[in-house]
Amino acid sequence: GENVEQHPSTLSVQEGDSAVIKCTYSDSASNYFPWYKQELGKRPQLIIDIRSNVGEKKDQRIAVTLNKTAKHFSLHITETQPEDSAVYFCAPSGTGAGSYQLTFGKGTKLSVIP
Amino acid sequence: DGGITQSPKYLFRKEGQNVTLSCEQNLNHDAMYWYRQDPGQGLRLIYYSQIVNDFQKGDIAEGYSVSREKKESFPLTVTSAQKNPTAFYLCASSMHGGTNTEAFFGQGTRLTVV
Repeated sequence: GENVEQHPSTLSVQEGDSAVIKCTYSDSASNYFPWYKQELGKRPQLIIDIRSNVGEKKDQRIAVTLNKTAKHFSLHITETQPEDSAVYFCAPSGTGAGSYQLTFGKGTKLSVIP
Repeated sequence: DGGITQSPKYLFRKEGQNVTLSCEQNLNHDAMYWYRQDPGQGLRLIYYSQIVNDFQKGDIAEGYSVSREKKESFPLTVTSAQKNPTAFYLCASSMHGGTNTEAFFGQGTRLTVV
């Protein structure tokens, strides 16, 4: 299956600052790059995704950028707010061998300090 | 109301007993997954299934068993062979097996061994 690494594992920012989380993957056949947000005690939910034919996608304060050559993609959150505090997971997937084994990164715990 | 439902939300088990966690989806998804989440940890894949009557071991399958007799249902049994079963268990589904599609999660079952 896919080998997925996320950095950093924890991130603290002041309210209003930006946060960036990076996800590195191993399968060059991956072509779907989502980010999930899990609030405390709740289920993970998709917040943004990108496909391999696009380099960047924005949705209000969040954006995802993709570098297929280097095999990594990043989540960008601008003007952070306390409600952005959560754990964020990446889960790249595609059509290559082992793609059915949906693998998540180990997560990044983001804390936004008011 | 479409979605993926796990039950029960909280479950207590005595040591040495088997226990079965329920997962049902009405999204007509082919693929279903079980993950284990320990405090402050990521999502570790236990088992996954791409189609009815077929399932595969994930990264931490020892001490667990599953069945996929119906498309809508993917129950997980935690057996007495699982040495440390206390954890938060999440079930997920996606339209196809891991490829290019969003994963939807149930609300989770918190299992405690007493």
